[in-house]
Amino acid sequence: NAGVTQTPKFQVLKTGQSMTLQCAQDMNHNSMYWYRQDPGMGLRLIYYSASEGTTDKGEVPNGYNVSRLNKREFSLRLESAAPSQTSVYFCASSDLYSYGYTFGSGTRLTVV
Amino acid sequence: KNEVEQSPQNLTAQEGEFITINCSYSVGISALHWLQQHPGGGIVSLFMLSSGKKKHGRLIATINIQEKHSSLHITASHPRDSAVYICAVRSWSGGSNYKLTFGKGTLLTVNP
Repeated sequence: NAGVTQTPKFQVLKTGQSMTLQCAQDMNHNSMYWYRQDPGMGLRLIYYSASEGTTDKGEVPNGYNVSRLNKREFSLRLESAAPSQTSVYFCASSDLYSYGYTFGSGTRLTVV
Repeated sequence: KNEVEQSPQNLTAQEGEFITINCSYSVGISALHWLQQHPGGGIVSLFMLSSGKKKHGRLIATINIQEKHSSLHITASHPRDSAVYICAVRSWSGGSNYKLTFGKGTLLTVNP
């Protein structure tokens, strides 16, 4: 089925470890996004890529880096994980002209 | 004040009841989204509105652009409707970029 695929679904890291969250979409969307979701707060934008070859900071970029590998793939990297990065991470993609958004199933990350 | 406010935060209903969830926003928008998230689950787009009203099965979404307000209605509610419902608005963020700003969500529990 067409959509947004995120891996992994669950991950536990120790403080200071690094990891990359992978995201791929097969809907030929130009824009891709990484959000984090924390209890009591709305989803917050970490980074986004308006089109292949561009990336920009969102609302909460500190501690993260991203790579837009090609039109399909947009990865999020934690270089040195901290307990404050314990969260659920969602990747999404959108089409500029239809305004529609499609979300991945989420990655539940715990940093101990 | 948050750009997107939802009410109520929590809602408990009996099966069969008519449900209304409200969303108010303070910025100019190009579209408003209603999203659904089941516990521990991914985020699914229910509706995207830029004016008027949309209906899908037992779900109805309305928007009043002048009053900056939208409502999500569920008729004949069912326990499987139990989920978090999230309102999100798409607004211009500069250049050719747009951003999605999320409400904190409304947790709906429908009891049998």
